[in-house]
Amino acid sequence: GAGVSQSPSNKVTEKGKDVELRCDPISGHTALYWYRQSLGQGLEFLIYFQGNSAPDKSGLPSDRFSAERTGGSVSTLTIQRTQQEDSAVYLCASSQENTGELFFGEGSRLTVL
Amino acid sequence: QKEVEQNSGPLSVPEGAIASLNCTYSDRGSQSFFWYRQYSGKSPELIMFIYSNGDKEDGRFTAQLNKASQYVSLLIRDSQPSDSATYLCAVNMYGGSSASKIIFGSGTRLSIRP
Repeated sequence: GAGVSQSPSNKVTEKGKDVELRCDPISGHTALYWYRQSLGQGLEFLIYFQGNSAPDKSGLPSDRFSAERTGGSVSTLTIQRTQQEDSAVYLCASSQENTGELFFGEGSRLTVL
Repeated sequence: QKEVEQNSGPLSVPEGAIASLNCTYSDRGSQSFFWYRQYSGKSPELIMFIYSNGDKEDGRFTAQLNKASQYVSLLIRDSQPSDSATYLCAVNMYGGSSASKIIFGSGTRLSIRP
C-alpha cells in the first residue's frame, strides 16, 4: 500500500481481555518497528523485525506482550490479560533495510477500562 | 541514564527567530541520527537525518552532529507558527547495513509565538 496501515485505529477493552493490533507496512520495507506512546510522553521502543526475525525483543514490557511477523509483511502485536497501564497509542513504523528512516502508521489507540 | 535525552520544554520562540533543539545520546557506537516532528494527535514524520560529524542543511532546517560530544542538534531558521510541534530526536543504536534498534528521546515541545 501507499503507507503504513494499522488496525484497529481505536480499541476499548476490559481489563483482563486479550487484544491484537495489526500493522501492514509499506510494500518492500523489510524492517518493521513497534513503539508505544502514552499521553504526553515520548516513544517507547517495543520490538523491531528484520524480515520475519526479531533480533531485539528487549523493549517488550512483560511476558504478556508478544509480536510476530509473517511473510516479511504484516505484523501482529498481541497483549494478553490487558491492564490499565497498557492504555496508550501503539505506533508501527517501517523502513527500508538499512536506512533507519521510519515511516509511521496512524497508530492504534488502546484504552483498557 | 536514558539512552537519548532531550529537554522536554516547552521552548517558546518568536516568529522569525531561530529555534535550537538539542539532544544527547549515551552509546558511542551509534551511527545515525534523526529528527522527527510530531504534531498534536498525529504520528511522527521524519524531517532530517544525519550520519557524519558536522552540519547538514535542508531548507530552513540544519542538523548538527558531534560524535565526540555525543550531541545532536536541530536549528530551525525563520521559525513559523506551523513549526509549533514536538520534535523527537532518534538514534540508530547499532548501525551497520541491516536495520537495528532505533531509540527516541522524549521530545521537545516547541511553540512559535506570533
